[in-house]
Amino acid sequence: EAGVTQSPTHLIKTRGQQATLRCSPISGHTSVYWYQQALGLGLQFLLWYDEGEERNRGNFPPRFSGRQFPNYSSELNVNALELEDSALYLCASSAGLASADTQYFGPGTRLTVL
Amino acid sequence: TQLLEQSPQFLSIQEGENLTVYCNSSSVFSSLQWYRQEPGEGPVLLVTVVTGGEVKKLKRLTFQFGDARKDSSLHITAAQPGDTGLYLCEITGNQFYFGTGTSLTVIP
Repeated sequence: EAGVTQSPTHLIKTRGQQATLRCSPISGHTSVYWYQQALGLGLQFLLWYDEGEERNRGNFPPRFSGRQFPNYSSELNVNALELEDSALYLCASSAGLASADTQYFGPGTRLTVL
Repeated sequence: TQLLEQSPQFLSIQEGENLTVYCNSSSVFSSLQWYRQEPGEGPVLLVTVVTGGEVKKLKRLTFQFGDARKDSSLHITAAQPGDTGLYLCEITGNQFYFGTGTSLTVIP
């Protein structure tokens, strides 16, 4: 069974540009979570989608947004990139709301903002 | 204020030694997860603990949930180089909070 996949593996952007990161959950999983892992800041919760709806978001500005598609894959968009957005962005999935504590993570997308 | 504090932040030990890492919260939580993350990869779930006082064993790893459900510990017996990694605790609810992490290096 395929695990959570993320693309691209690496992404290099310049300040002010937009970045789009993609995530495909494990087959059968309906919840997708996004996290930011920046150096020195640890893993920070960004967004949670389930059944196409945003369930909750962490303490991040509105320029961090996303969506979940009917096939449960998800996209994270970061607008007006800033240098401090450079981080590893991790996506995780779980088998729905009742299984939110059993998340399976993808390998991440390394975003570098120059 | 960090919701979840982990200690120690860094740990370097010789193969065969025992170690314990801690995860402490300022609040009571309903469930807690432990993960291990290796460089260039996402965290991998090790265990979920939900009951105060609960002890779970996973081979050489022993996880304990405090009676008051505000703390947890991970004990590794006879550490091996393959145990090297970043150990993270997480509490879940409407949001998801990770601890600051313990970076473990086991020297052969």
